[in-house]
Amino acid sequence: QSVLTQPPSASGTPGQRVIISCSGSSSNIGNNYVYWYQQFPGTAPKLLIEKNDQRPSGVPDRFSGSKSGTSASLAISGLRSDDEGDYYCAAWDDNLSGSYVFGPGTRVTVL
Amino acid sequence: EVQLSESGGDLVQPGGSLRLSCAASGFFFYSYAMAWVRQAPGKGLEWVSTIGGGGGATYYAESVKGRFTVSRDNSANIVYLQMSSLRPEDTALYYCARGDTMIVVTAGAFDPWGLGTQVTVSS
Repeated sequence: QSVLTQPPSASGTPGQRVIISCSGSSSNIGNNYVYWYQQFPGTAPKLLIEKNDQRPSGVPDRFSGSKSGTSASLAISGLRSDDEGDYYCAAWDDNLSGSYVFGPGTRVTVL
Repeated sequence: EVQLSESGGDLVQPGGSLRLSCAASGFFFYSYAMAWVRQAPGKGLEWVSTIGGGGGATYYAESVKGRFTVSRDNSANIVYLQMSSLRPEDTALYYCARGDTMIVVTAGAFDPWGLGTQVTVSS
């Protein structure tokens, strides 16, 4: 059971905006950066957002991240069929002498 | 081009041992922490371990602490994961990934990732 909470699924029609939430605590999201990863079936994960809201080179500006207190969110604007996949939030956790934690993942479906 | 390539995965009996390797190329290896992340079949991502650029700092998930050991050879650009006392619940695809700094606790952005190597623990 992850210390980060994400909804198991999210969906939208092409062109819509989808928001995925990630809830944690003061030991992880509240005191550390949040990262988001995208994974398509049968492929390795890819870094989507780093340090709460920064897009690595090559990531479209349709993807945006934000953080407030002990929660974070990933927004996908202009939803496309090739956005279908799993999205994971992650953060360092100051408990247990330091550990990196992933959320359980959110499956995004384009209707 | 930055590339990571894992190897060493296999079918092993419970209680057995295995050593995974991750060969890196295309970047100054010493300058980056390296992480291992695993994914059980049909499940989410689980962080396993991270090692600092110099090799002196290592962090482990509670689920593997005392059984797994991460190390690196900066002269050969390889990071290793020595796994012992393996359990069926260790069955997963093991990825290595590059952190964004050489210091473990600030290396939170894992990018890029290798394709993974499969570890199956079963009798």
